[in-house]
Amino acid sequence: SQKIEQNSEALNIQEGKTATLTCNYTNYSPAYLQWYRQDPGRGPVFLLLIRENEKEKRKERLKVTFDTTLKQSLFHITASQPADSATYLCALDNTGNQFYFGTGTSLTVIP
Amino acid sequence: GAVVSQHPSWVICKSGTSVKIECRSLDFQATTMFWYRQFPKQSLMLMATSNEGSKATYEQGVEKDKFLINHASLTLSTLTVTSAHPEDSSFYICSALKPSSYEQYFGPGTRLTVT
Repeated sequence: SQKIEQNSEALNIQEGKTATLTCNYTNYSPAYLQWYRQDPGRGPVFLLLIRENEKEKRKERLKVTFDTTLKQSLFHITASQPADSATYLCALDNTGNQFYFGTGTSLTVIP
Repeated sequence: GAVVSQHPSWVICKSGTSVKIECRSLDFQATTMFWYRQFPKQSLMLMATSNEGSKATYEQGVEKDKFLINHASLTLSTLTVTSAHPEDSSFYICSALKPSSYEQYFGPGTRLTVT
């Protein structure tokens, strides 16, 4: 069966450290993988998209890697801040432009 | 980022009635929009893909006669929950796919409570 799993439900880290979130998938062959941020009671906000032929993408303090052999994406937030506390979701496309979301990781950055 | 609005933001209705939720893409034309459902502390579940000018594509297990989707223009998609029941209570979120980018921009969501 198809699955998209994110490493843990909750992750607590100290302010200033790097947060690393993982997204593993099975039985998908995505051309794109995306990361979103969701705050409670709100819709997700697009952060980054990485294509299957890209190994790494960066945007300010964010970095995403994509390993299609391992079927895994890593999402890093460097120099984390309390304002980074949110739920982070990975999403990947299937044929036909549908997007399926992972289980989500709730990140808390402790001051 | 791009702006997608959703209306209403919350609605309470009685069992057996129908509720319409609107999703508008405010600053780009969206050929494709998506409807998701989210239960508390769970991830988003794709319900259907809405394509302008054609019938929506529903995910397995989603009743198309219960969740009616209309995408009549490039900026508006609507989801109507027909004959709502308490188990339909959920957070419904739409998104618009930005053309040529594969980036989704989400609405703020609609909290539906069926009593």
